[in-house]
Amino acid sequence: RKEVEQDPGPFNVPEGATVAFNCTYSNSASQSFFWYRQDCRKEPKLLMSVYSSGNEDGRFTAQLNRASQYISLLIRDSKLSDSATYLCVVNVFSGGKLIFGQGTELSVKP
Amino acid sequence: GAVVSQHPSRVICKSGTSVKIECRSLDFQATTMFWYRQFPKQSLMLMATSNEGSKATYEQGVEKDKFLINHASLTLSTLTVTSAHPEDSSFYICSARVRANNYYEQYFGPGTRLTVT
Repeated sequence: RKEVEQDPGPFNVPEGATVAFNCTYSNSASQSFFWYRQDCRKEPKLLMSVYSSGNEDGRFTAQLNRASQYISLLIRDSKLSDSATYLCVVNVFSGGKLIFGQGTELSVKP
Repeated sequence: GAVVSQHPSRVICKSGTSVKIECRSLDFQATTMFWYRQFPKQSLMLMATSNEGSKATYEQGVEKDKFLINHASLTLSTLTVTSAHPEDSSFYICSARVRANNYYEQYFGPGTRLTVT
């Protein structure tokens, strides 16, 4: 079983749609959680850190369920510029190495 | 967020030569940096953890004599790919760790695309 699993997609959605990405992690001792976005041939950029209580940043909402070892990212009112690969990332020991999911590809169409 | 730079952004070299890649934290000090490699259509794979003033910690399967890491200051880590071969062609990305509230966040450099001919 992979340490961090994501649906690879691709997700093809029209502009304005709401899309949700799910992620599960295997190590129950994991301490911190993130969503990164990666554009083609570019480096990953931190989108959101995910807090236990859930957090929202504009059109983006992230949630964490420690009991189910599950992380989600919701994007509302999708824009063309949201097209990218979204990486679910887990840090088992704070400050230690990051464990990456394989990424979920999103394509937002006009 | 914190800014991390990498140089060069792209390099083409001949088989058997060595290539040095620099990773700098521009507006903060980074005691710990990480080096990753990414092949097309694959996720990032951690190669090593670079600690300022001490030896790097390599992931299983990564040859430390081939991928030399030096972290001589709080703002600079270097990765040298020695005796490069075509199979070393990849996207190399560094990241630096930054304290954020009660945990750490990692910020990535723009990456270096290495092509070995």
